[in-house]
Amino acid sequence: GAVVSQHPSRVICKSGTSVKIECRSLDFQATTMFWYRQFPKKSLMLMATSNEGSKATYEQGVEKDKFLINHASLTLSTLTVTSAHPEDSSFYICSAREMARWEYGYTFGSGTRLTVV
Amino acid sequence: DAKTTQPTSMDCAEGRAANLPCNHSTISGNEYVYWYRQIHSQGPQYIIHGLKNNETNEMASLIITEDRKSSTLILPHATLRDTAVYYCIVRVRIGGGFKTIFGAGTRLFVKA
Repeated sequence: GAVVSQHPSRVICKSGTSVKIECRSLDFQATTMFWYRQFPKKSLMLMATSNEGSKATYEQGVEKDKFLINHASLTLSTLTVTSAHPEDSSFYICSAREMARWEYGYTFGSGTRLTVV
Repeated sequence: DAKTTQPTSMDCAEGRAANLPCNHSTISGNEYVYWYRQIHSQGPQYIIHGLKNNETNEMASLIITEDRKSSTLILPHATLRDTAVYYCIVRVRIGGGFKTIFGAGTRLFVKA
């Protein structure tokens, strides 16, 4: 089945630094990937749609300069949290869809827990 | 956007069937209903999906009402490992594709 790998699983960074999170589709190609963030005991909130070879589409209220998304290949999307602040601490999750199995929805990565100190 | 409503939480005894309801009264005729679950600190896991007919797989059964305005996810023999947040989702069309919007979900507690 489709597998999405997300790295790192946990990261701690200092305020003001940038952090890059990778999302890889291991055994399929994904022209579209999605990035979510989740606060404790809350649901997943869609941040942006990552499109291979073009600009990402951000949801309302999400700062595109703060959360840089790059989808340079059919198997890799990256989310960079720039100039991180403690309020950016959250659980970030990506998902991707295997075109051949589009009806089966999306496969999610295991998430990245970001802590900004 | 089609939206879903689910109970905030439910309890179920281990070994019994867990029936999780979901209302999606604004669903369009060609929109599928999907169920995912999320165990603490992990990414969501696909469970099952359906359009009109009832569906069953190795994890669960999905019962969709004839008017498609609601559905029920059934875990036939719940185990402690089924304790998780269960999300009922109707995919939202964006241009030529879809995006998955999560509601609040139902927190299922399976108790020994």
